[in-house]
Amino acid sequence: KAGVTQTPRYLIKTRGQQVTLSCSPISGHRSVSWYQQTPGQGLQFLFEYFSETQRNKGNFPGRFSGRQFSNSRSEMNVSTLELGDSALYLCASSPPGQAPHGYTFGSGTRLTVV
Amino acid sequence: GESVGLHLPTLSVQEGDNSIINCAYSNSASDYFIWYKQESGKGPQFIIDIRSNMDKRQGQRVTVLLNKTVKHLSLQIAATQPGDSAVYFCAGSAGNTPLVFGKGTRLSVIA
Repeated sequence: KAGVTQTPRYLIKTRGQQVTLSCSPISGHRSVSWYQQTPGQGLQFLFEYFSETQRNKGNFPGRFSGRQFSNSRSEMNVSTLELGDSALYLCASSPPGQAPHGYTFGSGTRLTVV
Repeated sequence: GESVGLHLPTLSVQEGDNSIINCAYSNSASDYFIWYKQESGKGPQFIIDIRSNMDKRQGQRVTVLLNKTVKHLSLQIAATQPGDSAVYFCAGSAGNTPLVFGKGTRLSVIA
């Protein structure tokens, strides 16, 4: 079966712009979580969505937001981009009732802010 | 709060040798731990997990050991192969809280 699909794979944005990243979970998975990965901080939790509701949120500024649609696809948005937002953004999905134990990660979106 | 860390940032082993990657955690309420492997250009891939009611769990060529007394877990890879070269992360959670990841250990296999 298809894995977690993240689009786009690579993105270059200018400081001050906004960006939207997309994540399509594995079919049947209803929980989607987002992580930011940087060399200095490692993987840091952004937020988790289940059935279109944000269930958990990490310690990131309000510029970072997300949402989940009725088909479980999720998007995250970062407004007013800063150089420090350059990172690999990873999405993970899990079957109902298993989050966070059944996480399957996508390959990520590499965001570069210049 | 939860923090998960790794003892060594890099590890080099000879092909065929066993590898041991260590991880420490701080939250005594953590009840689930997982090891991920991340290859270049890919997302983390599940290797093996363990719950806090277990001390040891074995998979194919991999073993995870959990020592709750000192809040330490390790990943052992038997007969390390070149394809095992990657960054390895441990992660933990308490209940259904989101996974907290360690910084990672880069394993390099010398042929």
